Amino acid sequence: AQSVTQLDSQVPVFEEAPVELRCNYSSSVSVYLFWYVQYPNQGLQLLLKYLSGSTLVESINGFEAEFNKSQTSFHLRKPSVHISDTAEYFCAVSWPSGGYQKVTFGTGTKLQVIP
Amino acid sequence: EAQVTQNPRYLITVTGKKLTVTCSQNMNHEYMSWYRQDPGLGLRQIYYSMNVEVTDKGDVPEGYKVSRKEKRNFPLILESPSPNQTSLYFCASSIGLAGGAYNEQFFGPGTRLTVL
Repeated sequence: AQSVTQLDSQVPVFEEAPVELRCNYSSSVSVYLFWYVQYPNQGLQLLLKYLSGSTLVESINGFEAEFNKSQTSFHLRKPSVHISDTAEYFCAVSWPSGGYQKVTFGTGTKLQVIP
Repeated sequence: EAQVTQNPRYLITVTGKKLTVTCSQNMNHEYMSWYRQDPGLGLRQIYYSMNVEVTDKGDVPEGYKVSRKEKRNFPLILESPSPNQTSLYFCASSIGLAGGAYNEQFFGPGTRLTVL
């Protein structure tokens, strides 16, 4: 079975400091990897995804994630965070099963940016 | 505007009183899904639907029912709610495999359910 582990439930960081949110996955098949962000009192929205090709993917708001197959990781990074980045971040994996798409989410990491 | 809508956004009910949470999407998506979000547990999938009249259980289906009679709608039914179903519920949709890749899901704003 496929699974996702986000080891850090909360990550406090000062404004303008760098941050890394960790995501590790376990899978017996090839998977596709996603990061979603949930701002307070909102639904989840896609931040970035890795399907194939370059292992480094970037979002429009400065986040990036690198797919590392050997370490089965997809960590999310940002070199300088802003107050507006305060949110909960979910890593997810997706894979084909029986002609359909299956997906599982991690438990989430709350990023708290401190002024 | 492309969106997933859910109603109601907030609901307080009592044990055993049947309820339905509606979900609708206007993007002609094939795939729809229901999740519950609980502190420390992240999102857990309840049911999903690959297309009209095609549904399957997710990881935590007990106590829930769904139906997919139209492509745009995917209601979640709690026949006899219990306090352990108090949670934040999200509906989501995606193109599905017809999109040629594993596409992202679009989420509704959430329904906060309290069962007393």
